[in-house]
Amino acid sequence: DTEVTQTPKHLVMGMTNKKSLKCEQHMGHRAMYWYKQKAKKPPELMFVYSYEKLSINESVPSRFSPECPNSSLLNLHLHALQPEDSALYLCASSRRPSDEKLFFGSGTQLSVL
Amino acid sequence: DAKTTQPPSMDCAEGRAANLPCNHSTISGNEYVYWYRQIHSQGPQYIIHGLKNNETNEMASLIITEDRKSSTLILPHATLRDTAVYYCIVRSLDTGTASKLTFGTGTRLQVTL
Repeated sequence: DTEVTQTPKHLVMGMTNKKSLKCEQHMGHRAMYWYKQKAKKPPELMFVYSYEKLSINESVPSRFSPECPNSSLLNLHLHALQPEDSALYLCASSRRPSDEKLFFGSGTQLSVL
Repeated sequence: DAKTTQPPSMDCAEGRAANLPCNHSTISGNEYVYWYRQIHSQGPQYIIHGLKNNETNEMASLIITEDRKSSTLILPHATLRDTAVYYCIVRSLDTGTASKLTFGTGTRLQVTL
């Protein structure tokens, strides 16, 4: 299994809603990542988890809350988002935290109304 | 990390070789060159990486100049499915820190019939 699975594929939410994005991998990778990608722009790093601990937060607003319950799962909890947060949210994993060969999921396309 | 410069777009006829250039004139001795691509509506996909020797795998070849200031990704027989945005990224291999893979604007490759 060489896949990173993200659910849901599409999500529409209001500014007062709370929702969560889920990411799963069964490759035994010990680093997991969240990226955000606006239309026609490159992906931008948000968070990195190394061995289930948050190691990098790229100054992301607190309305985005990551969680790594175990080595296979990564969640991104969303609360009180703004319309400008609408984007494709990509999850990735790598064998080790320093490994630059990342495996990406297909992303969750988020629309905030 | 060294900055990279890529042409914004390129065209290639199906069946011909696609040669995608990347300039990284400020690259330092311990920095690798990585290539990823992103097909529309998918997450980025790792292609290949190298330090100073030319590299080849089942997807592509990577040619790095002797002074390491530039490189070329070669897709030997491009197909329509190779239409994507190709990202050239330079990163040091620091085993002590988590990956912070940073994507530039990339080259949009259009393969045509």
